[in-house]
Amino acid sequence: QSALTQPPSASGSPGQSVTISCTGASNDVGGFNSVSWYQQHPGKVPKLIIYEDNKRPSGVPDRFSGSKSGNTASLTVSGLQADDEADYYCSTSTGSFYVFGTGTKVSVL
Amino acid sequence: QVQLQESGPGLVNPSGTLSLTCTVSGDSFSSTGWWSWVRQPPGKGLEWIGEISHGGRTNYKPSLKGRITVLVDVSKNQVHLKLTSVTSADTAVYYCATNANGGFDPWGQGTLVTVSS
Repeated sequence: QSALTQPPSASGSPGQSVTISCTGASNDVGGFNSVSWYQQHPGKVPKLIIYEDNKRPSGVPDRFSGSKSGNTASLTVSGLQADDEADYYCSTSTGSFYVFGTGTKVSVL
Repeated sequence: QVQLQESGPGLVNPSGTLSLTCTVSGDSFSSTGWWSWVRQPPGKGLEWIGEISHGGRTNYKPSLKGRITVLVDVSKNQVHLKLTSVTSADTAVYYCATNANGGFDPWGQGTLVTVSS
């Protein structure tokens, strides 16, 4: 039941892209369970930005994209904007319980 | 559009029981898949702790089994969380969220629970 592993921080200049990894194991990320991603601004409620590995909820810009390969999922934020500065968390199921990633703080330089 | 609101005491004594309620409004309670509780200690990351289906099936974080109970009251559109024998490590913002479409959405606003005497 360990948390999924994410890099503590990532950064990029406005307009650039940043990719965040989310590494798990064969019974969670690497299994048949889908990965979701959440954006959380300081003091705010987490917001779903990617579900089922690579789908975007209505209203989420296509600058946000998700992928998965083996035991690692990735979130890419393209065309970085100031408002993208936030914490990002991945999540998946093991089949019997859910687990979140350790979280990545994205800074826009 | 489903809306969720957490409620309950903001302060709990060590070794006591934390009790929270998530009230669901704005849509048919029975149309949603599962209801989860997620917590976030101050300055730390998100931690999923448990979930319940409309029919009452539950899943819990393994390390909390024995201390956590999640209940559903369909007649009142409410989901309840009980966590016993709390310590300062249980101090956190507690969120309820639905998971009907492959991700946790929407979330409640969250409620801060502090464990202290």
